[in-house]
Amino acid sequence: QQQVKQSPQSLIVQKGGISIINCAYENTAFDYFPWYQQFPGKGPALLIAIRPDVSEKKEGRFTISFNKSAKQFSLHIMDSQPGDSATYFCAASGAPGSGNTGKLIFGQGTTLQVKP
Amino acid sequence: NAGVTQTPKFQVLKTGQSMTLQCAQDMNHNSMYWYRQDPGMGLRLIYYSASEGTTDKGEVPNGYNVSRLNKREFSLRLESAAPSQTSVYFCASRETGRTNSPLHFGNGTRLTVT
Repeated sequence: QQQVKQSPQSLIVQKGGISIINCAYENTAFDYFPWYQQFPGKGPALLIAIRPDVSEKKEGRFTISFNKSAKQFSLHIMDSQPGDSATYFCAASGAPGSGNTGKLIFGQGTTLQVKP
Repeated sequence: NAGVTQTPKFQVLKTGQSMTLQCAQDMNHNSMYWYRQDPGMGLRLIYYSASEGTTDKGEVPNGYNVSRLNKREFSLRLESAAPSQTSVYFCASRETGRTNSPLHFGNGTRLTVT
C-alpha cells in the first residue's frame, strides 16, 4: 500500500519555465511534509518542508502548496534552471504517538530535466 | 566532518551469498535508518533504530537484519541474497532532539545480485 503517491514520474521543462510535481497522501495522521532533492550518485537532501497549519511555504524559487482537505501537496519550481535537474521526492511523517513519528514515507520520485 | 559514510559503494553478489552493508555517522545523531531505492518505487524504509540499543522493522524488512553497533554505526545484513534485493541502499540519520529534524543521507551502496 503506497501511502504517498507522486506524479509525474518524469518531467521535462525548458529553462525559465515552471516545474510542478504533485503528491497525494492517505493517512490523516501525517503532519509533516518535506521534499527531498537527489542528484545522480548522491543521497537525497532536504529541500523544503511544510506543516499542515499553513497552505503555502516559499524558499527562493521553491514553493510548497498544501491542500489539507484534498490531502494533496505540490512542489513548484519557478524559473527552472538546468542545475535543478535532479530527482525529487515528496515524503510524509506522522505526529508523535501516531506510529509514524520520525519515519518518513516517500513518494515514488520525479525525475526532472531542465533543458537549456 | 564526513556526515553519513556508507561502505562499500558498489557490490555484486551471487544468489545465496551474504554480506553486510556498513554505515557510520559523525553527527552524534540518535536515530538511524536504512532505505532501499528502486525505480518507480521511491525510497522504502527497511529498518530503523530510534536510539542506540533499539531497532524496529520498516515497510520492507524481509530478507534483512540490522545491528546498531553503537551510537555511530548501523549495519544492514543480507543473509542469503536474492535478485529481488538488487537495489541502491541508503543509510540516513537524524537528530531527535527537535521535532521533524531532517534526514541526512549517505551516498548509497549500489548492490547487484545475479
